[in-house]
Parts: sequence; C-alpha cells; structure tokens
Amino acid sequence: GEDVEQSLFLSVREGDSSVINCTYTDSSSTYLYWYKQEPGAGLQLLTYIFSNMDMKQDQRLTVLLNKKDKHLSLRIADTQTGDSAIYFCAEAGTYKYIFGTGTRLKVLA
Amino acid sequence: NAGVTQTPKFRVLKTGQSMTLLCAQDMNHEYMYWYRQDPGMGLRLIHYSVGEGTTAKGEVPDGYNVSRLKKQNFLLGLESAAPSQTSVYFCASSYGSRAEYEQYFGPGTRLTVT
Repeated sequence: GEDVEQSLFLSVREGDSSVINCTYTDSSSTYLYWYKQEPGAGLQLLTYIFSNMDMKQDQRLTVLLNKKDKHLSLRIADTQTGDSAIYFCAEAGTYKYIFGTGTRLKVLA
Repeated sequence: NAGVTQTPKFRVLKTGQSMTLLCAQDMNHEYMYWYRQDPGMGLRLIHYSVGEGTTAKGEVPDGYNVSRLKKQNFLLGLESAAPSQTSVYFCASSYGSRAEYEQYFGPGTRLTVT
C-alpha cells in the first residue's frame, strides 16, 4: 500500500532534542521532504533530502535517511516552544507527494 | 507576491448543498493540487492539474469536481455536500512535476457539512 507512517505525538522539554521518525513506502522515491504545519496554517517546507544522501544538516535540523529500511528521521536540536507544530514527511513521486499522517510535536517549557 | 491563496477560509454547509472553493497562485506555476486533511490521516490528494485546461484524479476524487480555466486558478467543487466531506482543504502549487520541485501550500479552508 501507499502508507507513509509516522507516530502521532511527541512531547519534549524545551532545550532537548526532538526526533521525529517516518517510514516510507517507495524505494524509488528520489526526494523525501519534511513539512511543518503550525496551528491554523498551511504546510511549509522545512527541509528535504535527496535519495543518494544519508544525512543532511541545516542549522538545528538534521535529516537521516536509511534507504535499506525506508526510514527517514528529523532531528531538531535545542527544541524551542516555537517548534510546536505538526510535522509531515512526504515522499515525492511524479505529479504528487504521498504524505505521512503527521507527528504533533509539543514542546514543554 | 501573495503565493497561494484560498477562499473562503471557513464554510458551513448543509447536506446536499453545493459550493466552490477557489485557489489562486501568483507564481506562474504549471501544477496545482487539491488535498484534504483529516485527523490521523495526513493529506490525501483529491485532484490535480498539470496545466491550464487539464485536470486529473488523485487518491480520493469521488464527490468532487475541479476546473482549471486559467493557469493561476484551480477550483474545487462539491455538487452535493455530504458530512463525510467535513475536512480541511488545502490547495498547493508547484513549478514542475518532478520530485525536486517544492509544493507551496495555501492556508486552508475549513469546511463543515451538517
């Protein structure tokens, strides 16, 4: 099937690291994305990784890709209250993305 | 540069009523998409368009129709609304269809069908 799976909730304390996991389905996906959705808003692109990479770092964000296990993760270092949102992974195919179910990150002060 | 805009932001319909959701983009993107977002289910593609005058079915097209008469606009119609269509609807656009092209999202329309 075409299910991209994520855990629904994650709660961390401010200043800790957050790790959001995603299992995708199509080993031929060339790009994998992380989007952030703040309350009442649309999705905004956070970062992406090309399938021939194992890791990508962008300031506080680190994306890890394990193609063998079709596993993608997003690590947010020094998590802040402003990081509270829903995070979606997506695998990109022609004409469409397949989105995960979203992980709601709650950051506790 | 407004990006992707959607009207209306909120709407309540009675079962059987019809309505049209409007999406507009000012980035000259060829590709446009309509998604619905339901709790615990992520975003599911309803219909998409690869250019002016073209439309295609996505994952969950039943009960919806679309039109792309102008490149910048993509309309989503509900001819006879049902409670199962209560959802948040997002429009998106992208420059191209290849996987490396980011999709830009509108702010969403929250629709309730009673």
